[in-house]
Amino acid sequence: GDSVTQMEGPVTLSEEAFLTINCTYTATGYPSLFWYVQYPGEGLQLLLKATKADDKGSNKGFEATYRKETTSFHLEKGSVQVSDSAVYFCALSERGAQKLVFGQGTRLTINP
Amino acid sequence: EADIYQTPRYLVIGTGKKITLECSQTMGHDKMYWYQQDPGMELHLIHYSYGVNSTEKGDLSSESTVSRIRTEHFPLTLESARPSHTSQYLCASSGSATGELFFGEGSRLTVL
Repeated sequence: GDSVTQMEGPVTLSEEAFLTINCTYTATGYPSLFWYVQYPGEGLQLLLKATKADDKGSNKGFEATYRKETTSFHLEKGSVQVSDSAVYFCALSERGAQKLVFGQGTRLTINP
Repeated sequence: EADIYQTPRYLVIGTGKKITLECSQTMGHDKMYWYQQDPGMELHLIHYSYGVNSTEKGDLSSESTVSRIRTEHFPLTLESARPSHTSQYLCASSGSATGELFFGEGSRLTVL
């Protein structure tokens, strides 16, 4: 079945560092790919998405490119801030499927 | 901005009590979901619904039950709470062909 594998956490960085959180997936078709963020004490919010190969999703300085050849959707940000501290989830949805498949989440802590 | 609401945000109750977690959305979405999130962050789908009078069990077995009498409302009930039910419960809805989910802020349940 479909699955999503994320880089294991926790990840701790200093402010203004470069961030990469790896995400790879297994799917039978051509899924849509998502990154969600969960701030402390809150629900998940959609951070960015890409619906087809080579699409780049971007939001709040974060980017991720849908790479079909490597089945990856790595999350990147050039300069992180303390306010980026959160849990990040990679997810996929097959066309016509009723459910999202989530990765296990990566906890990110940014120190000032 | 997503409009999906969960109440209560926090609930502490004793063993054996009946509880209902409320979830409402104002977006007219047909699909709604309940996830259980353990302290390790991983999300487990416990119930979902494709529309009124439709409910299905998710990937993780749960002693809770759900109902979908109205499109906007998807409550979750535990007839007799136990300490093992202590968790964060997240409600979500979807109306998008890409499968994107909108989440509520969650209900954190503690059973003593």
